[in-house]
Amino acid sequence: SAVISQKPSRDICQRGTSLTIQCQVDSQVTMMFWYRQQPGQSLTLIATANQGSEATYESGFVIDKFPISRPNLTFSTLTVSNMSPEDSSIYLCSVEDDKQIGNTIYFGEGSWLTVV
Amino acid sequence: GENVEQHPSTLSVQEGDSAVIKCTYSDSASNYFPWYKQELGKRPQLIIDIRSNVGEKKDQRIAVTLNKTAKHFSLHITETQPEDSAVYFCAARGYGQNFVFGPGTRLSVLP
Repeated sequence: SAVISQKPSRDICQRGTSLTIQCQVDSQVTMMFWYRQQPGQSLTLIATANQGSEATYESGFVIDKFPISRPNLTFSTLTVSNMSPEDSSIYLCSVEDDKQIGNTIYFGEGSWLTVV
Repeated sequence: GENVEQHPSTLSVQEGDSAVIKCTYSDSASNYFPWYKQELGKRPQLIIDIRSNVGEKKDQRIAVTLNKTAKHFSLHITETQPEDSAVYFCAARGYGQNFVFGPGTRLSVLP
């Protein structure tokens, strides 16, 4: 499977600030996704990062709060804007392995954000 | 849209015993069902998956069974070991759809 690197791995952020998370994949992939995992909770899809076009957001998530870039087939960023304590979560980049039948998804190490 | 339920939410077993986690899904069009294991402080990792044209799949101590009629699938872990302690997530996906994850099961294997 692809090697997915995320940074930062962990950060403590001040309320009202914004933070950009980077996701780098070691091979070209068609589909990249951003998930949020709140403390003790399951995985919730924020958006699909589309290469060369605007991301596709899931219900409850908006571009102003979570702007996403996907400049090429190996890289994406997620910005968490105007952070509040409720944004304290793990943010996970994931990619779809379209070389395997079934197209399963694999996750990066995650970015653990704490908003104070 | 798809809805995935998972039971139990927590499970404690003695080392060496078996553990079973069950998930139900709502969309009969879903055709792919992976299971992920997430250890504390780490990313979710795929441990086994099954497609809708298969009823059972096994990989050493873990197996997954699928009942399409009843729309449920289960993870079976035999001869559990302390390193099996983790949170397990099931997921369901239909063709062209995004994954929907279950709420998770926290498994504790007691020595």
